[in-house]
Amino acid sequence: AQSVTQLGSHVSVSEGALVLLRCNYSSSVPPYLFWYVQYPNQGLQLLLKYTSAATLVKGINGFEAEFKKSETSFHLTKPSAHMSDAAEYFCAVSSSGGYQKVTFGIGTKLQVIP
Amino acid sequence: EPEVTQTPSHQVTQMGQEVILRCVPISNHLYFYWYRQILGQKVEFLVSFYNNEISEKSEIFDDQFSVERPDGSNFTLKIRSTKLEDSAMYFCASSDGTSRRTDTQYFGPGTRLTVL
Repeated sequence: AQSVTQLGSHVSVSEGALVLLRCNYSSSVPPYLFWYVQYPNQGLQLLLKYTSAATLVKGINGFEAEFKKSETSFHLTKPSAHMSDAAEYFCAVSSSGGYQKVTFGIGTKLQVIP
Repeated sequence: EPEVTQTPSHQVTQMGQEVILRCVPISNHLYFYWYRQILGQKVEFLVSFYNNEISEKSEIFDDQFSVERPDGSNFTLKIRSTKLEDSAMYFCASSDGTSRRTDTQYFGPGTRLTVL
């Protein structure tokens, strides 16, 4: 069985501040890990994914995440928050890059304060 | 850029009625999926579909649910007799199936189903 835990259902940061969204995973097989973003009234957009290549993964919109096996973590970061980053962010895990079901976390709503 | 589309964006139905949610996956994709998100809860996997058959389904996907690819472009989710607890956002996704490692599931904008 696979699961992800997102710490913090709501995170607020000031514009220009570091964004850190936490995700820990549990998997009995080497995991594939994803971060998706959902803007209001829109679908799920892939930000980045880890597929057992480089442990530091760079995604769209300046986001990146680091796979740390020893900590079973895949935290999402962005050096400087922008107002347009306000959205809900979902960490997810799968046993393959895309063939198998994706198991999502509860989501973290990011608020960016001007 | 190619995208997954879903219709309708919002469907309201009476309990016990049948509903069909429609999706047009990205044209060269081979794997298709349905997920749902009940308000305030996680996005949950329902079913995956490949080569005209279900490849995996969750315990949520009971006999009230069915999926079909009626032609070369559409992928549908049918709920035979809707219940109040079926109210949710339903997401369709597709992936191209070229690589187990690098494949990505692309999601549509969702259909919000409200059962009254």
